[in-house]
Amino acid sequence: DAGITQSPRHKVTETGTPVTLRCHQTENHRYMYWYRQDPGHGLRLIHYSYGVKDTDKGEVSDGYSVSRSKTEDFLLTLESATSSQTSVYFCAISESRGAGELFFGEGSRLTVL
Amino acid sequence: GDSVTQMEGPVTLSEEAFLTINCTYTATGYPSLFWYVQYPGEGLQLLLKATKADDKGSNKGFEATYRKETTSFHLEKGSVQVSDSAVYFCALSDLSNTGKLIFGQGTTLQVKP
Repeated sequence: DAGITQSPRHKVTETGTPVTLRCHQTENHRYMYWYRQDPGHGLRLIHYSYGVKDTDKGEVSDGYSVSRSKTEDFLLTLESATSSQTSVYFCAISESRGAGELFFGEGSRLTVL
Repeated sequence: GDSVTQMEGPVTLSEEAFLTINCTYTATGYPSLFWYVQYPGEGLQLLLKATKADDKGSNKGFEATYRKETTSFHLEKGSVQVSDSAVYFCALSDLSNTGKLIFGQGTTLQVKP
């Protein structure tokens, strides 16, 4: 199994509070992604990274920011959480940008009350 | 933009029944196509892939053929088992060369003994 750890795995928070989710990999893969999974929507890309300090927006990036200061860590931050951000968040990594395989973490379930 | 459409679930089958999960896509070019599977409480994992027209991906008894003329990549298995119960996602590769995938909404399969 690819070495991907997400933390926290479960979090309940209140509207308006900041939240940071962490993705840590031990594979030294260059590409990292944050997706959210919601019923009826499948997985939608929030942000991705193609190297240290190189990030870009996905299709649902509003309300989220990311940082990657080291190859192994990719942080997703909700500056002021809203109920619409209640979701399961998945981190994924990839070795190459071609038709390669994405390896997923186990997910972080976030509930915003 | 590019998109993936899957048949709605849930799909409920008896053990040893034949499985088909339909997937069609819209893309401006010729993406690679993937099927991912998500078992309860886990992240997604690659089931099979095809990188060009008429390619057949196969794994664990599952098959899917890349059909350019019908823009489809239907997943099939001749005889399902209870252990195949999971959520199945069809996906295509984004042709912007960032390695990111675009996912369908997912189809839940439940196999009963």
